[in-house]
Amino acid sequence: AQSVTQLDSHVSVSEGTPVLLRCNYSSSYSPSLFWYVQHPNKGLQLLLKYTSAATLVKGINGFEAEFKKSETSFHLTKPSAHMSDAAEYFCVVSSYNTNAGKSTFGDGTTLTVKP
Amino acid sequence: GAGVSQSPSNKVTEKGKDVELRCDPISGHTALYWYRQSLGQGLEFLIYFQGNSAPDKSGLPSDRFSAERTGGSVSTLTIQRTQQEDSAVYLCASSLTGSNEQFFGPGTRLTVL
Repeated sequence: AQSVTQLDSHVSVSEGTPVLLRCNYSSSYSPSLFWYVQHPNKGLQLLLKYTSAATLVKGINGFEAEFKKSETSFHLTKPSAHMSDAAEYFCVVSSYNTNAGKSTFGDGTTLTVKP
Repeated sequence: GAGVSQSPSNKVTEKGKDVELRCDPISGHTALYWYRQSLGQGLEFLIYFQGNSAPDKSGLPSDRFSAERTGGSVSTLTIQRTQQEDSAVYLCASSLTGSNEQFFGPGTRLTVL
């Protein structure tokens, strides 16, 4: 079984300040973890992924995430928010050993960036 | 190369009509997924195809929903006797064998009047 919880449904930051979007997961197997971003009326775009290599993962647009097994967390961070970062963010867990590769999506976090 | 494509991009239909939504995965991707995203909600898994294996239909919400994948490539999601609660964006994704990184299409926005 697997599940993912995004701890904040909405996050609001000022432009130029750090971003933290929190994600906790559970998985019976070694998980792969992903963050996707969805801009309004657009499809989902992969930001970054963890697949059992380095625990600190760097993605596009200056985002990064750290896999912490002891805390079952995969929080997404960015040092300095930009207006274009305003979007919906989804944390995803996938355990290829189970459910034939089916992934479980979090409910999403809406990021608002204030000027 | 070409990404995942979906058609139509928008579909407006009347309650009770049948609709077909199409997904063209990335060439060579053996896995294909359908999801539903209702307004302001996360993604709801519908169905998963992997190669020639029997599809995982565990997410289909009712027997009005069905999907097929012809020749291991293009997939069609069919909704029969549409209801207003079927209104949502339907997203398709594909991935390579052995990878759980999914590539998403732009979605089809379905509106049932």
